[in-house]
Amino acid sequence: AQSVTQPDIHITVSEGASLELRCNYSYGATPYLFWYVQSPGQGLQLLLKYFSGDTLVQGIKGFEAEFKRSQSSFNLRKPSVHWSDAAEYFCAVGAVGAAGNKLTFGGGTRVLVKP
Amino acid sequence: KAGVTQTPRYLIKTRGQQVTLSCSPISGHRSVSWYQQTPGQGLQFLFEYFSETQRNKGNFPGRFSGRQFSNSRSEMNVSTLELGDSALYLCASSLAAASYEQYFGPGTRLTVT
Repeated sequence: AQSVTQPDIHITVSEGASLELRCNYSYGATPYLFWYVQSPGQGLQLLLKYFSGDTLVQGIKGFEAEFKRSQSSFNLRKPSVHWSDAAEYFCAVGAVGAAGNKLTFGGGTRVLVKP
Repeated sequence: KAGVTQTPRYLIKTRGQQVTLSCSPISGHRSVSWYQQTPGQGLQFLFEYFSETQRNKGNFPGRFSGRQFSNSRSEMNVSTLELGDSALYLCASSLAAASYEQYFGPGTRLTVT
């Protein structure tokens, strides 16, 4: 069974500083990987996805993520954080095959942005 | 194109009652998945429907059930509510059977008292 670990529960970053959120996954085959963001009281918004090909993927809002198979990681980065980036971020892995569209999520990382 | 819509947005029920939540997927999307989000357990997969058939089910008791209609709209039902069922219930839609790229609605906040 697949699993996702986000080691950092909370991260505080100053506005304008860079941000990196860690994600490690466990899956027996090539994973489908996602990053979602959730603002308070809202649903999840898809930031970016990795299915195959180039291991550095670009997403919305200036985010990017890099897939590293050797480290089973899919870390999310943003060069310069804006106050509006304060939210909770979830990494997820998708099950491949006949099991359908099931996503397994990490526990999330809450990002606080200091002015 | 309109996003995923969920109704109602907020709901308060009493223990022992039952509740039905509704989800309308993005137009053209045929797969609907449901997730439960709680502070303690995080985001957990409930089930997924495609073409009116349940294709996958998470590890939840039989009190949790769902269905999908021919227009892809979906409902989930929770019977005999327990306090622990208090959660944000999220619906997500996908274009096809194995597209994996899921788009989420705003959720229904269920409070069981």
